[in-house]
Parts: sequence; structure tokens; C-alpha cells
Amino acid sequence: NAGVTQTPKFQVLKTGQSMTLQCAQDMNHNSMYWYRQDPGMGLRLIYYSASEGTTDKGEVPNGYNVSRLNKREFSLRLESAAPSQTSVYFCASRGGQVYNEQFFGPGTRLTVL
Amino acid sequence: AQTVTQSQPEMSVQEAETVTLSCTYDTSENNYYLFWYKQPPSRQMILVIRQEAYKQQNATENRFSVNFQKAAKSFSLKISDSQLGDTAMYFCAFMRIDDKIIFGKGTRLHILP
Repeated sequence: NAGVTQTPKFQVLKTGQSMTLQCAQDMNHNSMYWYRQDPGMGLRLIYYSASEGTTDKGEVPNGYNVSRLNKREFSLRLESAAPSQTSVYFCASRGGQVYNEQFFGPGTRLTVL
Repeated sequence: AQTVTQSQPEMSVQEAETVTLSCTYDTSENNYYLFWYKQPPSRQMILVIRQEAYKQQNATENRFSVNFQKAAKSFSLKISDSQLGDTAMYFCAFMRIDDKIIFGKGTRLHILP
């Protein structure tokens, strides 16, 4: 049981390049989330998916797209990276009726030059 | 829109002392969940404690307890007998029934030897 996994752990991009951050969970959770964490800003929700086949915008969706490929996988795509997207990105999943706990991946540190 | 406010950006206490971290939130909903997460230097997000809004009894987990004041929309975290390993960023979070989770900006806690 690996929990929530994210790839890559680190990435450096040039302005205008594109890339996809991958996230997978093996806990059979329905809900999955993408956050970005900037110094002094806490975690801000980019997109979330309450179930397979559905996605919704969070607080800061501009410049990002997501795909809920199946129940396990939820990817985040930057089509044209900008320096303002330099951040640490966390994926999380949540499931179960009683214990509403989010499980987080280890994060991806992204630098856009 | 829901907001979560942590009014203490940074705190320091001596080892073995008790410390209280503040959190207030704004919502018009009656049913929701509240969480405290810990983020040590490893960057991993770790759930410390959760509280269901419909429960009047304050949640406790070993040395960690909360003071949940629903009418005042306040959710503070008390750490008793603080330990060096408690040094971390602490985030308060609010979860709506529709699945969105909003985080505060965090409190950086230093436990001094």
C-alpha cells in the first residue's frame, strides 16, 4: 500500500514549456485534489475531482488543466509554464464515509525559469 | 466564500511547555469538518486531529487537543508537553460537505530545547 504517489519529485522548466504532474493513489478513494504551496500562502486548491469522471475548479485554476484518468490517477498539466507557477505541488486523496481525512503525496518542487 | 484565518504566523515555546495555536473560519454552513495538519521540514503533510462540526465534544489525540467553539467559528489546537519533534508548520483546514478543503496560511512553530 503505497498511499499517494507523485512524479516527478523535482522539475525545472523554461518559460513556455509544458509538462504533466502525475498522481496516483491505491486506497480506492473517490476524491482527489491538487494544491500548490507558496511561502506564506499555505496550500491553495487548484482543482479537485469528487469522483471518477468529474473535475472542478478550486481557488487558483488559471494556467492549469487536470485529467481524472481513472479512479486511481489524477494528473495536472501546465500547458505553457510561467515563473509564477514556481511552487511545490501536492496531490491528495480522500475517501470513506466516517474518517474524512486527506492523504497527501510527498510533493513536487517545480521551478520555472 | 469560506475563509480560514491563522493569526499567528510564527511561535516559539520551550520544550515541555503547552502551546495553543489559533484558527478561525468563516462559513454559513452547518455541517463541515475541521482539521489540523502538521508539516515538518520533510514537507510531508500529516493529519494531527480532526473535528466534525456536529460533535460538541472536543477531539483529542494524545498530547493534542482542540477547543472547538462553533458559534464563535473558532478551532484552536493545544499541544501539551511539547517536544522537539513538534517543530513544524501547522495548518488549520476546513472541509465543506461538497468536498472542497480550504487551508489557512499556517503557523510556524518552534520548540526550543
